[in-house]
Amino acid sequence: QKEVEQNSGPLSVPEGAIASLNCTYSDRGSQSFFWYRQYSGKSPELIMFIYSNGDKEDGRFTAQLNKASQYVSLLIRDSQPSDSATYLCAVNLKGGANNLFFGTGTRLTVIP
Amino acid sequence: DAGVIQSPRHEVTEMGQEVTLRCKPISGHDYLFWYRQTMMRGLELLIYFNNNVPIDDSGMPEDRFSAKMPNASFSTLKIQPSEPRDSAVYFCASRKPGGTDTQYFGPGTRLTVL
Repeated sequence: QKEVEQNSGPLSVPEGAIASLNCTYSDRGSQSFFWYRQYSGKSPELIMFIYSNGDKEDGRFTAQLNKASQYVSLLIRDSQPSDSATYLCAVNLKGGANNLFFGTGTRLTVIP
Repeated sequence: DAGVIQSPRHEVTEMGQEVTLRCKPISGHDYLFWYRQTMMRGLELLIYFNNNVPIDDSGMPEDRFSAKMPNASFSTLKIQPSEPRDSAVYFCASRKPGGTDTQYFGPGTRLTVL
């Protein structure tokens, strides 16, 4: 089992719909969870992060943590074609603040 | 403020040659990370520095890879000799002291070893 797993997709949603992206992690002691967006040929850019103490909403994006089941999700409301990208989940496994483990990413396509 | 700067953006070399990738972190950031991204393995941490000191190099794949950070504004990742399986995109990222764990990525260097 990989330490951070994501469904590679592609995930296709129509414009205006909710896109739901999930990520599972292996270390129950993980404290920080990050979602990065990566456009084709570009570098990852941080969308949002949450700590183990709660969920977070930022505009159209919501990150949720389910500690019991060890997964973190990213919801994108009112999806736009510009949201089409690969979304990378990153987790600081083993409690190391600097040792981020990334999933292989989920490719999202928003269909106009 | 300028972001993380990497050079070159693209590198094509032949097997056996030495390759040097360069990175300038964001001013004031005291953590610097080197990552490698491939389709098969995704984004992997190779090594990171804190205040110019290598802290964890457990991700460096083998002795052919080495990294240095001679000062707070410059780091290199060297591969000698290079092999076709080293072909990947190499990212440098930096993080500011304290605060969140947020890492800011450079534009990457696409390395092709023929």
